Amino acid sequence: GIQVEQSPPDLILQEGANSTLRCNFSDSVNNLQWFHQNPWGQLINLFYIPSGTKQNGRLSATTVATERYSLLYISSSQTTDSGVYFCAVGGSYIPTFGRGTSLIVHP
Amino acid sequence: DTGVSQDPRHKITKRGQNVTFRCDPISEHNRLYWYRQTLGQGPEFLTYFQNEAQLEKSRLLSDRFSAERPKGSFSTLEIQRTEQGDSAMYLCASSPTAWDNEQFFGPGTRLTVL
Repeated sequence: GIQVEQSPPDLILQEGANSTLRCNFSDSVNNLQWFHQNPWGQLINLFYIPSGTKQNGRLSATTVATERYSLLYISSSQTTDSGVYFCAVGGSYIPTFGRGTSLIVHP
Repeated sequence: DTGVSQDPRHKITKRGQNVTFRCDPISEHNRLYWYRQTLGQGPEFLTYFQNEAQLEKSRLLSDRFSAERPKGSFSTLEIQRTEQGDSAMYLCASSPTAWDNEQFFGPGTRLTVL
């Protein structure tokens, strides 16, 4: 199956800092999503981005499918951005999740 | 448009007991997925339905696990003879169509097996 690697595994930021999270995958994919898991375990959709670039407020994402990676940018981070960020990729209808990046934003 | 709902949100049971979880997907989503998540890991795929048909099952889904989606709407996941290793968060997700596979997750059911 598809291998998914996320980096860094852990990230600690001061409020207001910018960050880039990376998702590498081992095979071509038709589906790619970024999620934020809050402290209560809820997975919140950030982007559905099998290719190209999207932006939503302070967050943006870019997927370069031919080079098998995706990036999630968080600008001007806030304490509410804390949590675990997952990418999920799939060549068919069944996605494989990475192990996530745990983000802590200090005030 | 309400999101995906799951019930119960928490379940504590004794080893050897049977448990059943329910998932109500977003209405008109014809795809429904079950995942399991343990501490420090990403969600792991268990099984997937398109309408009422169960199309894929993971090797993680042992014989003690069974899932149904009888009318193509809500789904149930049953675990028989629970073991301590079954303790995890069980997540349900739904997606609209074959050509739009963006998944939306419910809040999960946290299972603790004593």
